[in-house]
Amino acid sequence: AQSVTQLGSHVSVSEGALVLLRCNYSSSVPPYLFWYVQYPNQGLQLLLKYTTGATLVKGINGFEAEFKKSETSFHLTKPSAHMSDAAEYFCAVSPLKGSSYKLIFGSGTRLLVRP
Amino acid sequence: ETGVTQSPTHLIKTRGQQVTLRCSSQSGHNTVSWYQQALGQGPQFIFQYYREEENGRGNFPPRFSGLQFPNYSSELNVNALELDDSALYLCAIKTELQEAGYTFGSGTRLTVV
Repeated sequence: AQSVTQLGSHVSVSEGALVLLRCNYSSSVPPYLFWYVQYPNQGLQLLLKYTTGATLVKGINGFEAEFKKSETSFHLTKPSAHMSDAAEYFCAVSPLKGSSYKLIFGSGTRLLVRP
Repeated sequence: ETGVTQSPTHLIKTRGQQVTLRCSSQSGHNTVSWYQQALGQGPQFIFQYYREEENGRGNFPPRFSGLQFPNYSSELNVNALELDDSALYLCAIKTELQEAGYTFGSGTRLTVV
């Protein structure tokens, strides 16, 4: 069975500092991998996704993530945090193939950005 | 604006009642999924509909049911509401043109008292 672990329910950084949100997955085969962001009282917005090809994926708002198969990781980074980045971030996986493309989410990491 | 509209945005129900949540899309899609997000947790997969038929279900009891209509709208029905059903319910759509990933609506916040 697939699962997702996000290390750290809360991460606090200063404005301008590096953002690193950690995600590890468990899967018998390399899955599709996603990062979603959720602002208060809103739904989920796709930041980036990895399906095949280049393992370094660039997304919106300056975020990027690297798929490392040997480490079963898909950590999210951003070189310089902005106040507007404060939100909840979810890592998710879905089966590489099959008719059911359900997403399995981690428990989320709340990013706090200090002035 | 995600292009996925959910209604209502908020509602309060009493334990034992039934509720219907709705989802619609501005563009055509053939797959719609519903997720339950309890406070402080990640979304949990409830079920998925592909071309109007259920083709995947998570660990939710039968009192959670759904429908997908030819006009790309969808419903989530929950019978015999329990206090633990209080959550944000998210609808997500996918088209065949999308290699992977879903577009989510803003959700319906359900409170059961």
